[in-house]
Amino acid sequence: AAGVIQSPRHLIKEKRETATLKCYPIPRHDTVYWYQQGPGQDPQFLISFYEKMQSDKGSIPDRFSAQQFSDYHSELNMSSLELGDSALYFCASSLGPRGKPQHFGDGTRLSIL
Amino acid sequence: DQQVKQNSPSLSVQEGRISILNCDYTNSMFDYFLWYKKYPAEGPTFLISISSIKDKNEDGRFTVFLNKSAKHLSLHIVPSQPGDSAVYFCAASANTDKLIFGTGTRLQVFP
Repeated sequence: AAGVIQSPRHLIKEKRETATLKCYPIPRHDTVYWYQQGPGQDPQFLISFYEKMQSDKGSIPDRFSAQQFSDYHSELNMSSLELGDSALYFCASSLGPRGKPQHFGDGTRLSIL
Repeated sequence: DQQVKQNSPSLSVQEGRISILNCDYTNSMFDYFLWYKKYPAEGPTFLISISSIKDKNEDGRFTVFLNKSAKHLSLHIVPSQPGDSAVYFCAASANTDKLIFGTGTRLQVFP
């Protein structure tokens, strides 16, 4: 069965650069979620979208923005990157928001030099 | 403040026996609970979920039990298989999109 696809799998950037992470949800899923997992930490919820509208917002820095497109894929844009942004970024998708199982991709590992 | 806790960092079970993974939570507003399995270098794989209006949900070899008064849930795997060896996370949400994860329990199923 098709799963959530994230690209790239690995990304290396320098401080103050920008990065764009992409997420392609499971076909027919209309909700996407973004999580950030720092070293030795649990995944922290950043933001979610349902039917291309922001659904919920967590601890997403102002330097980050995200959107969901008409084909339901989502992009997380990160600017003015800092060393502390080095983390594993997971995207998940579900059929409907809230109270539905979230299915995760394999993540994008972002390293800031 | 860890709202979702998995107090056993590891569990070892013989193949064919029952594996019981436990999870405790502190937030009484949580109304949806999930279990995930995770292998290294992969994202969490959804296993089973339960709404707070139920106390049991079963899917094949996996059963989740919810005890709201004790703020406790457990995952039973019967029979356990070597392929079940992985790290298991419970997660919870409180009528939001945000999942709060536990710290995980490493399950090892030996022959």
